[in-house]
Amino acid sequence: QKEVEQNSGPLSVPEGAIASLNCTYSDRGSQSFFWYRQYSGKSPELIMSIYSNGDKEDGRFTAQLNKASQYVSLLIRDSQPSDSATYLCAVKRSGAQKLVFGQGTRLTINP
Amino acid sequence: AAGVIQSPRHLIKEKRETATLKCYPIPRHDTVYWYQQGPGQDPQFLISFYEKMQSDKGSIPDRFSAQQFSDYHSELNMSSLELGDSALYFCASSLGVDEQYFGPGTRLTVT
Repeated sequence: QKEVEQNSGPLSVPEGAIASLNCTYSDRGSQSFFWYRQYSGKSPELIMSIYSNGDKEDGRFTAQLNKASQYVSLLIRDSQPSDSATYLCAVKRSGAQKLVFGQGTRLTINP
Repeated sequence: AAGVIQSPRHLIKEKRETATLKCYPIPRHDTVYWYQQGPGQDPQFLISFYEKMQSDKGSIPDRFSAQQFSDYHSELNMSSLELGDSALYFCASSLGVDEQYFGPGTRLTVT
């Protein structure tokens, strides 16, 4: 079992709808959580970081964290075709430097 | 805003050759990370440096070594290259243990 699990998809969402991406992690010592967007052949681009339980909103993106359930999610409102990409969930343990990534969810927004 | 710079962007080497990848972090960032991403896989942490000292180590082969210099740039040296080393190599930087920002990557092909 991977430390960070994501549904690999593909997840297909109509344009303008809400895309919901989920991630679970196994290490209870994890303290920092990140969502990256990666287009094919490109580098991961940081979208959101979240450190405490609850919701964090930034524009069309909302990250949700539930440490008790070891669950983090990303909601994308008013999805656009340009949101089509692979979304990587990454987790960092307290005191550690490295990010541990999930396998990514491929999201397709259909016009 | 200035981003992480990596060179070269593409590199073709033969088996058993040596390769050196360079990374220039975002100005004022003091921590550098190296990740390897194989085809269809998530990024895997190799090694990190904080203030020119190795700060964390992941699944980096003994054939690989890295260092961070006084100007904070970092180099990843890879020797006795194998076909399986073909991958995208990303450098990321951060200020302390804050959010990591990725460079464009170096695509290494070993033939």
